[in-house]
Amino acid sequence: GIQVEQSPPDLILQEGANSTLRCNFSDSVNNLQWFHQNPWGQLINLFYIPSGTKQNGRLSATTVATERYSLLYISSSQTTDSGVYFCAVESYKLSFGAGTTVTVRA
Amino acid sequence: GAGVSQSPSNKVTEKGKDVELRCDPISGHTALYWYRQSLGQGLEFLIYFQGNSAPDKSGLPSDRFSAERTGGSVSTLTIQRTQQEDSAVYLCASSFARREQYFGPGTRLTVT
Repeated sequence: GIQVEQSPPDLILQEGANSTLRCNFSDSVNNLQWFHQNPWGQLINLFYIPSGTKQNGRLSATTVATERYSLLYISSSQTTDSGVYFCAVESYKLSFGAGTTVTVRA
Repeated sequence: GAGVSQSPSNKVTEKGKDVELRCDPISGHTALYWYRQSLGQGLEFLIYFQGNSAPDKSGLPSDRFSAERTGGSVSTLTIQRTQQEDSAVYLCASSFARREQYFGPGTRLTVT
């Protein structure tokens, strides 16, 4: 199956800082999504981005499908951004990376 | 309801008992997925339904696990003779035409 690697595994930020999370995948995919899992366990859709760049408020994402990676940018981080960020790719099923645990300190 | 719903939200059962977990997908979504997330881990794919096609069961960990989807809508995941290693959060997701997947809140299963 497709391998999905996320880096870094853990990230500690001071409130207001910017950061970049990376997702590498091992094969061509039809679909790539970024999720934020909040402290209550709910998976919240951030981006559906099989290719190109999208922005939503302080978050943006870029997927370069030909080079098999995606980046999630968090700008001006807030404590509410804390949680685990998952990248997931789909060829015929959704395969998740192990996640990046982000802690934003006030 | 606008989102995916799951019930129960929590289930505690004794080892060896059978359990049923329910998922109500977003209305109109043709695809439905079940995943499992063990404590501190990523998500593990279990099974996928698409329309009236035969489900993709390739992620089911053993023959104690089964799932059905009735009328192309509600799905039930059944675990027979539960074991302690089955303890996890079971998540359901739905999508339209295999595009963006939307997840329910999950069912936390604890096998004692």
